[in-house]
Amino acid sequence: GAVVSQHPSWVICKSGTSVKIECRSLDFQATTMFWYRQFPKQSLMLMATSNEGSKATYEQGVEKDKFLINHASLTLSTLTVTSAHPEDSSFYICSARSAGVDTQYFGPGTRLTVL
Amino acid sequence: AQKITQTQPGMFVQEKEAVTLDCTYDTSDQSYGLFWYKQPSSGEMIFLIYQGSYDEQNATEGRYSLNFQKARKSANLVISASQLGDSAMYFCAMVLTGGGNKLTFGTGTQLKVEL
Repeated sequence: GAVVSQHPSWVICKSGTSVKIECRSLDFQATTMFWYRQFPKQSLMLMATSNEGSKATYEQGVEKDKFLINHASLTLSTLTVTSAHPEDSSFYICSARSAGVDTQYFGPGTRLTVL
Repeated sequence: AQKITQTQPGMFVQEKEAVTLDCTYDTSDQSYGLFWYKQPSSGEMIFLIYQGSYDEQNATEGRYSLNFQKARKSANLVISASQLGDSAMYFCAMVLTGGGNKLTFGTGTQLKVEL
């Protein structure tokens, strides 16, 4: 149990385009989903927290207009990187937890390369 | 604010031996949870083990055990009978109960298991 999927696994796009990444909880209801960013050989950096049906809460320094997060259902959250630039190239990974449970289960991650 | 410290950037261990990965934490909260995650080169974050701050017994999951020393604020991961497949990056993390369930990660320890 507690499986989280992410799609796509990797994406290459041109500068200025938008990219949408999906995060799904496959066998549980995710009341809260989290989006992280990870640079090579570094730890995970929390970008935002999203609760189902509510607006996402962004961490300090994360542009909410650039990284659009939607958590429309208990099994799906999306992250859209708008007008992507090369500096947005990174590994994006989501996690999900259900109500009353501390443990977050992570998706396999999405590697974004912006040319 | 809470902080996780992992002082071992890299560790080597021989196959079938046990290895301890260090983790210390800093928080003034009394209610928190401690986690260990494994991140292989593929990038996915695999949940290994959880310890609640009020749990009196050390957590164990198969070959993984968490050596929880509350007074010292340490939560070391012990892997017994190391296998080649254990080679990965290992992250210690903490969540404050009632703190929005945000995970704070350490910088990670790269474990290499050798023949």
